[in-house]
Amino acid sequence: DTAVSQTPKYLVTQMGNDKSIKCEQNLGHDTMYWYKQDSKKFLKIMFSYNNKELIINETVPNRFSPKSPDKAHLNLHINSLELGDSAVYFCASSPYRGQNTEAFFGQGTRLTVV
Amino acid sequence: DAKTTQPNSMESNEEEPVHLPCNHSTISGTDYIHWYRQLPSQGPEYVIHGLTSNVNNRMASLAIAEDRKSSTLILHRATLRDAAVYYCILRAGGSRDDKIIFGKGTRLHILP
Repeated sequence: DTAVSQTPKYLVTQMGNDKSIKCEQNLGHDTMYWYKQDSKKFLKIMFSYNNKELIINETVPNRFSPKSPDKAHLNLHINSLELGDSAVYFCASSPYRGQNTEAFFGQGTRLTVV
Repeated sequence: DAKTTQPNSMESNEEEPVHLPCNHSTISGTDYIHWYRQLPSQGPEYVIHGLTSNVNNRMASLAIAEDRKSSTLILHRATLRDAAVYYCILRAGGSRDDKIIFGKGTRLHILP
């Protein structure tokens, strides 16, 4: 019944590896996001998709590649992981684009790069 | 994007009302005022949003100043579960409206 679900919840991996985080929403929403929360607890938007189309790409290294196979899924693939990629990554969705709507966030994926 | 200013932290007693202030003096006419909160070890959670009029929902009330340069999130009866970081956010209209830009927020402590 979880509205926005992310897998895995925890991910520990070595530098240089490639990993993916999956996100699914069962709300029928058109818009999905990826956010990163660093160790100082700042939440920063990384990407936004609307109906599978990339809308926002916020100065994120190109090692990060989002993929939206359908509008219910937005996965995040990270190549050549670095120590600085350690953070909590949150997926979110909104019914549609626009400022007069709310976003629903997943529980987060804690990525630790060692 | 227009900026918001919130106190770093606040304390309140359990079962009492809490008023969380937010200043946004550079707000534009089409900016919506949103509030989210983040409980420990959880993702952000939508609380409420509004444009000009005061808003109420099951979680809270949002009081918006007449000039819209400030707003207040009101938790009517705080519980320990309301201890969280509360974010006041302006969402701009137009092509920039797909972002929710989080600031530092206010850390709310609830005293039993």
